[in-house]
Amino acid sequence: GIQVEQSPPDLILQEGANSTLRCNFSDSVNNLQWFHQNPWGQLINLFYIPSGTKQNGRLSATTVATERYSLLYISSSQTTDSGVYFCAPDDKIIFGKGTRLHILP
Amino acid sequence: DGGITQSPKYLFRKEGQNVTLSCEQNLNHDAMYWYRQDPGQGLRLIYYSQIVNDFQKGDIAEGYSVSREKKESFPLTVTSAQKNPTAFYLCASSYRSLNTEAFFGQGTRLTVV
Repeated sequence: GIQVEQSPPDLILQEGANSTLRCNFSDSVNNLQWFHQNPWGQLINLFYIPSGTKQNGRLSATTVATERYSLLYISSSQTTDSGVYFCAPDDKIIFGKGTRLHILP
Repeated sequence: DGGITQSPKYLFRKEGQNVTLSCEQNLNHDAMYWYRQDPGQGLRLIYYSQIVNDFQKGDIAEGYSVSREKKESFPLTVTSAQKNPTAFYLCASSYRSLNTEAFFGQGTRLTVV
């Protein structure tokens, strides 16, 4: 099956910093999603982005399907951005292991 | 409100007992999924169903069973054959074609003692 690799595995930043999270996948996909898992375990949909670029406030995402990667950008980080970020390519929503983000006040 | 409801939020069971986790959606989605998450880990697919009365095994189906008798419901049974059932279980649903964006329930934390 498809392999998913997310980097970095852990990231610690000061409030206000910017960050880029990466998701590489081993095969061509028809869809890709980014999620944020909050401290209570809830998975929040961030982007559904099979290809191209989308923006939502301080967050944006870019997927280059032909090169099999997707990037999630977080600008002006806030403490509420802390948690784990997962990418999930493929129709069965196979998940990467996530990037754990800690934003320090 | 439209969404996915998992119940209960917390569940405690004795070792050797079967337990059934509920997942209901009113989004008119065709596909439904069950995942398991262990502390500090990612999500692993247990079972998925793309249509009523049909389902497929995911990566870690051993010790679990499901049914899909109604479009809205996809219950997961954790059987006594599951050697390490304590985990966080998440259910999701999506359309089957075109936009397959998935949405998740709030999860059930199962503890087996």
